[in-house]
Amino acid sequence: QVDLVESGGGVVQPGRSLRLSCAASGFTFSTSGMHWVRQAPGKGLEWVAIISYDGSHKYYKDSVKGRFTISRDNAKNTLYLQMSSLRTEDTATYYCAKDKSWIQEYWGQGTLVTVSS
Amino acid sequence: EIVLTQSPGTLSLSPGERATLSCRASQSLSNTYLAWYQQKPGQAPRLLIYGASRRATGIPDRFSGSGSGTDFTLTISRLEPEDFAVFYCQQYIASPLTFGGGTKLEIK
Repeated sequence: QVDLVESGGGVVQPGRSLRLSCAASGFTFSTSGMHWVRQAPGKGLEWVAIISYDGSHKYYKDSVKGRFTISRDNAKNTLYLQMSSLRTEDTATYYCAKDKSWIQEYWGQGTLVTVSS
Repeated sequence: EIVLTQSPGTLSLSPGERATLSCRASQSLSNTYLAWYQQKPGQAPRLLIYGASRRATGIPDRFSGSGSGTDFTLTISRLEPEDFAVFYCQQYIASPLTFGGGTKLEIK
């Protein structure tokens, strides 16, 4: 079955950087687009970014453009989210999700990022 | 950016009753580009419906979706105890993808 395991979350100061990872198994990772979606504590869902199966196409939410970079390593079945210039409003649980024609078909359990001084 | 407005914010019903959740978009989504997700406390969201009315793999047939254009509905025909959760609609006709604010379905 599809399994997505996020890691890399933690507490980070404003302005600093952090890289999240998502290890994928149970499906052919190299042929599937992938998403990052976040959820601030007690709030709703917010889509962050999508990457195509080969990494050639990437789209971002406006508020993270230029600060976050989505990437993937198909040889390692791993998705990444490099986050820089972090702000307090980036505090959230970050989920990776398998794409199905722009839908988030399967989700990981998430990793919490807290941006605080 | 397409804005999705969900109503009601909270819905209080009893097991066995019928639930009707609404999602209105700020512009047309055709009859295809609307999905519904369920999220239980402490868990990741789960895809329920895509293409406005297509059930995802393993979703019971008591869940159904309908609508087109700007108005969409998620119906749960007979509520089971495990159905109580927060439900989100999402549009995927245009980037950025956006979610509605959610409807909390609680036990009355």
